[in-house]
Amino acid sequence: RKEVEQDPGPFNVPEGATVAFNCTYSNSASQSFFWYRQDCRKEPKLLMSVYSSGNEDGRFTAQLNRASQYISLLIRDSKLSDSATYLCVVNAGNNRKLIWGLGTSLAVNP
Amino acid sequence: NAGVTQTPKFRVLKTGQSMTLLCAQDMNHEYMYWYRQDPGMGLRLIHYSVGEGTTAKGEVPDGYNVSRLKKQNFLLGLESAAPSQTSVYFCASSYTGLAIEAFFGQGTRLTVV
Repeated sequence: RKEVEQDPGPFNVPEGATVAFNCTYSNSASQSFFWYRQDCRKEPKLLMSVYSSGNEDGRFTAQLNRASQYISLLIRDSKLSDSATYLCVVNAGNNRKLIWGLGTSLAVNP
Repeated sequence: NAGVTQTPKFRVLKTGQSMTLLCAQDMNHEYMYWYRQDPGMGLRLIHYSVGEGTTAKGEVPDGYNVSRLKKQNFLLGLESAAPSQTSVYFCASSYTGLAIEAFFGQGTRLTVV
């Protein structure tokens, strides 16, 4: 089992749609969780950290379920500019390294 | 703010040639990383550094060497380039290694022919 697994994608949705991405991780000692966004041929950039209580930033909501070792990202009212690859990232225990999922590609269509 | 700067942005090498990729950050971050990104493989850690003068191996260190002589710089060297090293290389830095956002450079597209 991969350390971090994401929905295979790609997701093609119309503008205004709500889309959800899922991510599972294997290391129960993982302490920190993030969603990064990567535009085509660009560097990854932090979209949001994921907290145990769940957190929201505008149209984006991230949730963490430690018992199921599961992270989700919900995007409401999708915009064309949301088209990108979304990377689930987990800091694995005490080794101070980030473990990256392969990413899920989102295309928002007019 | 410059953030994390990588040079060069593009390079074509012949098999067996050597080169050094330079990463510079101006955020006074302790941690620096070199990743490679390949289709279907995601981001894989090559080497990392937890502070000036320190380096450690990541997931895929073979064929690469690194040095962190100054806190702000992290160099990645390819001693004898191979076609399997054709990839996009990203440098990143973070204030610490835990629970902290990593900032990335714009990437270096390397082709080995």
